Amino acid sequence: GQQVMQIPQYQHVQEGEDFTTYCNSSTTLSNIQWYKQRPGGHPVFLIQLVKSGEVKKQKRLTFQFGEAKKNSSLHITATQTTDVGTYFCAGHTGANNLFFGTGTRLTVIP
Amino acid sequence: NAGVTQTPKFQVLKTGQSMTLQCAQDMNHEYMSWYRQDPGMGLRLIHYSVGAGITDQGEVPNGYNVSRSTTEDFPLRLLSAAPSQTSVYFCASSPTGGYNQPQHFGDGTRLSIL
Repeated sequence: GQQVMQIPQYQHVQEGEDFTTYCNSSTTLSNIQWYKQRPGGHPVFLIQLVKSGEVKKQKRLTFQFGEAKKNSSLHITATQTTDVGTYFCAGHTGANNLFFGTGTRLTVIP
Repeated sequence: NAGVTQTPKFQVLKTGQSMTLQCAQDMNHEYMSWYRQDPGMGLRLIHYSVGAGITDQGEVPNGYNVSRSTTEDFPLRLLSAAPSQTSVYFCASSPTGGYNQPQHFGDGTRLSIL
């Protein structure tokens, strides 16, 4: 079945360090979405990428969609304590099902 | 706008009991879905609906039923609760069809089965 894995599962960084999470799918994706979930909260949509090789930026966050549309990454530059949470990727394979990755929990040490 | 509203926020059940988790959205979204979130496994799709009167199964539908009689409401029923159904349940909605649409999530229901 469809699997979307993320690495690492956990990441602890000092405030100001960079952070990257990687998302890998077992099948080709139609799109990739990224969500952030604060502790005790619900997932909140961040961004969507659709095109092969696409790169998008939101302030300190950079999102990439792989050329083969089977992997993606989220990079945060100079982390802040407000970046704490779990980051999920999610993608469609063409049907209505949105498959979520396993998530990366980010802890930022002040 | 309230967005997506889930009730209850917390629930404890005994094995074998049944219950309904409520989900309502006021954004006139056609697509609604239910996910369960377990540690280390991300969110897994239970059931979804592309419009009133239409439902379909996701990845992990066993033990759950859904119905969609109105655009606004999408309740999830646990028929006979089992400890393996202890989880956090999220309802989500999007304008149409799910594909290429951002999902709007409710605050979740934290369910424990004893």
